[in-house]
Amino acid sequence: EPEVTQTPSHQVTQMGQEVILRCVPISNHLYFYWYRQILGQKVEFLVSFYNNEISEKSEIFDDQFSVERPDGSNFTLKIRSTKLEDSAMYFCASSLTLAGGQYEQYFGPGTRLTVT
Amino acid sequence: LAKTTQPISMDSYEGQEVNITCSHNNIATNDYITWYQQFPSQGPRFIIQGYKTKVTNEVASLFIPADRKSSTLSLPRVSLSDTAVYYCLVGDKSSAAAGNKLTFGGGTRVLVKP
Repeated sequence: EPEVTQTPSHQVTQMGQEVILRCVPISNHLYFYWYRQILGQKVEFLVSFYNNEISEKSEIFDDQFSVERPDGSNFTLKIRSTKLEDSAMYFCASSLTLAGGQYEQYFGPGTRLTVT
Repeated sequence: LAKTTQPISMDSYEGQEVNITCSHNNIATNDYITWYQQFPSQGPRFIIQGYKTKVTNEVASLFIPADRKSSTLSLPRVSLSDTAVYYCLVGDKSSAAAGNKLTFGGGTRVLVKP
């Protein structure tokens, strides 16, 4: 069964450093998302991406965050200058269609980001 | 988006049926009801989705009464591996204007005991 993959599984970085989290969505999917989950809290939407541009972003997704699909397979989340409060599990997700399967999003295993 | 309310936690034993009820009193006509499952340290996983009456798949059943103000996820004969957090989500499946983000609440933490 096709799956979303994410690398690395765990990233430790120092405050102020830039990090790039990588995702490979399911190959024929068209919509891509990033979510995060701070330990013990809810899964929170960050951003959705379609047709090489951001469709929607949350208030969490400020100027420190950016997303990119640099080639036909990868989807990345960059945090320019990490803060302690960015420590969380970051999930990438993808879906095939909007109308036909809006809620059938397939999630990756996550990247645990620890900012020290 | 319709607000959902579900129990914070439930305990069960292996082999039992687990029923989790979600309240969504202000569900809109176009809204669908979707359930996701999340195991510890993993991403959420789609379980089932429905609009009205009953939907069944290989994992679960979803019961939706006629007024659609609540729904019940039923997990038959649970095993230890069904220990997870279960999320009820309500939203418009078809409207691009509504955005396609998923809005998760706190979910129901189900603990299956031996």
